[in-house]
Amino acid sequence: DIVLTQSPAILSVSPGERATLSCRASQSVPSSFLAWYQQKPGQAPRLIIQGASYRATGIPDRFSGSGSGTDFTLTISRLEPEDFAVYYCQQFGRSRSITFGQGTRLEIK
Amino acid sequence: QVHLVQSGAEVQKPGASVKVSCKASGYTFTDYYMHWVRQAPGQGLEWMGWININSGGTNYAQKFQGRVTMTGDTSINTAYLDLSGLGSDDTAFYYCARGDVYGDLDDFWGQGTLVTVSS
Repeated sequence: DIVLTQSPAILSVSPGERATLSCRASQSVPSSFLAWYQQKPGQAPRLIIQGASYRATGIPDRFSGSGSGTDFTLTISRLEPEDFAVYYCQQFGRSRSITFGQGTRLEIK
Repeated sequence: QVHLVQSGAEVQKPGASVKVSCKASGYTFTDYYMHWVRQAPGQGLEWMGWININSGGTNYAQKFQGRVTMTGDTSINTAYLDLSGLGSDDTAFYYCARGDVYGDLDDFWGQGTLVTVSS
């Protein structure tokens, strides 16, 4: 199975600044099958980015995704208070199974 | 609009089984997959498997094979997760999440069901 490694584990950023989150795969992942989720305490995960770079419905344009192969990035420009949460990358593999990264906690600096 | 409503919290003893339900509405139930994902307190997301609601075909994560069963009742638009041989490390929130037509995760999740395993 493909292993997704996210870095950093914890990211401290001030509101209004930019946050850059990384997701590295142990094998190449088709961009079509790489997604990012946001999860806030007590809530189910929410899809932010699908297909590596396409914002999900209703997601503001300060969220952007990029990357290919084994290296993917989620960038949040101009952080708003509601953006502080845990972010997970996720891939859908050839065996039609799913793996998640271990998560990056984005906290207020 | 799409809604996934899960059954309520459960407390089970070690070695017991638990069955969690997920009632779907707002879409054609048989056109999509259903995934189950769990999250232990303070931990990350762990995928358990999916069921193709139309065919009944399943794909379970290797970790859970042998003690997990995913089913769907198309007459009442409800998916089920059965997990047997519970241990304390099975204490977690269990989420159902719709899969798209290819089997990948979609953007619709249930509210989660807390299963606590305790003697």
